[in-house]
Amino acid sequence: GAGVSQTPSNKVTEKGKYVELRCDPISGHTALYWYRQSLGQGPEFLIYFQGTGAADDSGLPNDRFFAVRPEGSVSTLKIQRTERGDSAVYLCASSLYGYHKEQFFGPGTRLTVL
Amino acid sequence: TQLLEQSPQFLSIQEGENLTVYCNSSSVFSSLQWYRQEPGEGPVLLVTVVTGGEVKKLKRLTFQFGDARKDSSLHITAAQPGDTGLYLCAGWDDYKLSFGAGTTVTVRA
Repeated sequence: GAGVSQTPSNKVTEKGKYVELRCDPISGHTALYWYRQSLGQGPEFLIYFQGTGAADDSGLPNDRFFAVRPEGSVSTLKIQRTERGDSAVYLCASSLYGYHKEQFFGPGTRLTVL
Repeated sequence: TQLLEQSPQFLSIQEGENLTVYCNSSSVFSSLQWYRQEPGEGPVLLVTVVTGGEVKKLKRLTFQFGDARKDSSLHITAAQPGDTGLYLCAGWDDYKLSFGAGTTVTVRA
């Protein structure tokens, strides 16, 4: 079956621009997570959705970052007024509902802010 | 946030050699997971260890969970070039995963 897909795979933008990153989770997975992975680091939690609602957005670094999941499936991570420090790989993961269910990761979107 | 420290940061070995990577924390975890990540891909789950003192084997990979559930190790026997990758440990912090920085393993043919 299809895994988690993310688009685009690469995004290059200029400082100050707005970007949207998309995540298509595994069908039937109600939980969806966004992580950010900087060079030489492990993934860092950003936000967790259970269904349509953001159950925990404590990892979002500031109010330039926002994520939605309007129909409980596809999610979009939105970054306003991008900064060079936002350059990283943005990973999406999905899982079935339940405590400590295995998370399946997508290949990520590599964002480069010039 | 519960912090996980991994060592070494980099490891380069010859095919056929053995290697061990470590994951340590000052916090107790209900379980720890090990992932492998290849360039351009997301992490893939290798194993979950749950019980203190537990040892799990996955072909040439052996995973141990410390008795106090604060540390874990991954041992690879007779490493092969296909074992090359970034090895990450992660612990559950409520319903989200907290990752270490990873160990980059390179196995030379």
